[in-house]
Amino acid sequence: QSALTQPRSVSESPGQSVTISCTGTSSDVGGHNYVSWFQQHPGRAPKLMIYDVTKRPSGVPDRFSGSKSGNTASLTISGLQAEDEAEYYCCSYAGSNTWVFGRGTKLTVL
Amino acid sequence: QVQLLESGGGVVQPGTSLRLSCAASGFTFKSYGMHWVRQAPGKGLEWVAVIWYDGSDKYYADSVKGRFSISRDNPKNTLFLQMNNVRAEDTAAYYCAREDTWHFDLWGRGTLVTVSS
Repeated sequence: QSALTQPRSVSESPGQSVTISCTGTSSDVGGHNYVSWFQQHPGRAPKLMIYDVTKRPSGVPDRFSGSKSGNTASLTISGLQAEDEAEYYCCSYAGSNTWVFGRGTKLTVL
Repeated sequence: QVQLLESGGGVVQPGTSLRLSCAASGFTFKSYGMHWVRQAPGKGLEWVAVIWYDGSDKYYADSVKGRFSISRDNPKNTLFLQMNNVRAEDTAAYYCAREDTWHFDLWGRGTLVTVSS
């Protein structure tokens, strides 16, 4: 149950796009299409942004998109806005009725 | 209003026990698998445990197996986490989360557990 690997931080200017990677193994990210992404602002609960690799819950802007290739999943945020500045976590089903999260990526909107 | 509300956190000494609760409202609680996820101060999220919608199956992270126990009371729309023999490394905010086919679509606001002598 090792945590998924994410970059510790990324930064980009408003209006630009940024991609956050999430690398696991064939037992988790690569083995299941059950990768989700969460946004967490300081002191707040996580909010679901993407699930099943590419799907967006109702209410999440289409600026947020997800993808996966092999053992690496990615979250792309286009048209960055100030309110997108937050911590982002990936999560994957890891088999045997267990789940694993990434260590988190702090997004700074310059 | 669809929501989850955790309670039961506090300051406890190492080696003691604590029970967390999560009250669900606004949805059919008995139809969903439920999870506990924790977050140590300044750290990332860690999955802790899951219980099936009917309580028939339970699974745990290795870090808590044998010490924590997840349970639920469907008539009372409540999820529990019994924490025994707690350690300093169990210090965290504990969130309950609803599962909707392999992802967590609803989270509570969390309850803070501090293990300290």
